[in-house]
Amino acid sequence: EVQLVESGGGLVQPGGSLRLSCAASGFTFSGHEMNWVRQAPGKGLEWVSYINSRSTTMYYADSVRGRFTISRDNAKNSLYLQMNSLRAEDTAVYYCARDGAPIDFWGQGALVTVSS
Amino acid sequence: QLALTQSPSASASLGASVKLTCTLSSGHNSYAIAWHQQQPEKGPRFLMMLNSDGSHSKADGIPDRFSGSSSGAERYLTISSLQFEDEADYYCQTWGAGIPVFGGGTRLTVL
Repeated sequence: EVQLVESGGGLVQPGGSLRLSCAASGFTFSGHEMNWVRQAPGKGLEWVSYINSRSTTMYYADSVRGRFTISRDNAKNSLYLQMNSLRAEDTAVYYCARDGAPIDFWGQGALVTVSS
Repeated sequence: QLALTQSPSASASLGASVKLTCTLSSGHNSYAIAWHQQQPEKGPRFLMMLNSDGSHSKADGIPDRFSGSSSGAERYLTISSLQFEDEADYYCQTWGAGIPVFGGGTRLTVL
């Protein structure tokens, strides 16, 4: 059974940092591209970042470029999102999503709240 | 620029059928899309991939009540024999240069 389990969410002050993790199981993680997608309270889905299977290509939404870094460890079947210089507008549920062109599996999400 | 447009809301009665629409931006008629369902307080779930010719492939466990079709720049999700559990937000998604693009979502209310 395919599973994506996010962790690392929480409350952080503006300007702070947080690292999200996504543990993958039930499929060959090293063979799949991955994404982070977020959803602000009451809003729709917003793509955040993409990484290919070998970590040679990464893309970022304009809203997070220069502040967020996506990475993965295929040996650990894990995806990460390092978030720095966090802002109130980064408050959202962050989903780890497997990219099968299209996205074909989602995690349950991790809530990140940026507030003083 | 690649974009997807969805109506913000739709409603239909229990047991009836509803057809949700996702419109691709000009010049992108050939693009495939995906439909995702998000029930209240849950994460999204992939429903199906839908090609420009109307052929579609559903995720495991998705009932036959869910089907897809295409016409030009329009991509449709039809849900028949509506059940209360179908009340959810429905998002279409495509991709350009490997980057996912989402529609704004349609909130379906089952009356």
